[in-house]
Amino acid sequence: KNQVEQSPQSLIILEGKNCTLQCNYTVSPFSNLRWYKQDTGRGPVSLTIMTFSENTKSNGRYTATLDADTKQSSLHITASQLSDSASYICVVSEMNNNDMRFGAGTRLTVKP
Amino acid sequence: ETGVTQSPTHLIKTRGQQVTLRCSSQSGHNTVSWYQQALGQGPQFIFQYYREEENGRGNFPPRFSGLQFPNYSSELNVNALELDDSALYLCASSGDRGRGEQFFGPGTRLTVL
Repeated sequence: KNQVEQSPQSLIILEGKNCTLQCNYTVSPFSNLRWYKQDTGRGPVSLTIMTFSENTKSNGRYTATLDADTKQSSLHITASQLSDSASYICVVSEMNNNDMRFGAGTRLTVKP
Repeated sequence: ETGVTQSPTHLIKTRGQQVTLRCSSQSGHNTVSWYQQALGQGPQFIFQYYREEENGRGNFPPRFSGLQFPNYSSELNVNALELDDSALYLCASSGDRGRGEQFFGPGTRLTVL
């Protein structure tokens, strides 16, 4: 069973709208949580990295939140643009080794 | 562009063959991690190399092996290819044993027939 679960699996929104993607994890002990954006056929690009002591991190129109108690994270995208269409992947690293557990991603489509 | 390069871009092999994929890390980075990404799924961690030594391994069989060179570039070798090995293989370079930001290459698309 994947230790990182993302929802929704896919999402379609109109350009200019906001959206929030969810990530729940069971990885323990937890070291850090990352959000990546991956365009089709390309390597993932880092958006945010948060350690267990951080509860929010912003990168332009992207804001990630983390609740280490409930083991939940979200990625909020404001004022979406057509170029935001991509897969967004949540990645959780274990404390004791370098195993990074990837979620299956949320496929976001932004339509004009 | 992340400065991480991978070769080849695409590769087609048949079952039972062996394959070597290559990754050049970003300048100043001493850690390379390899991932397998099946279509429609998130990447799965294969292993990580730090200063030429394996520094963590995911749930992959021994026929997946790797190497890191003194210039921190890396190879992923897969023996006895199976159909399920068809995937996008990603490498990521970082400093600090992967604790910091990871920069991914564009990937190698492997098809096993």
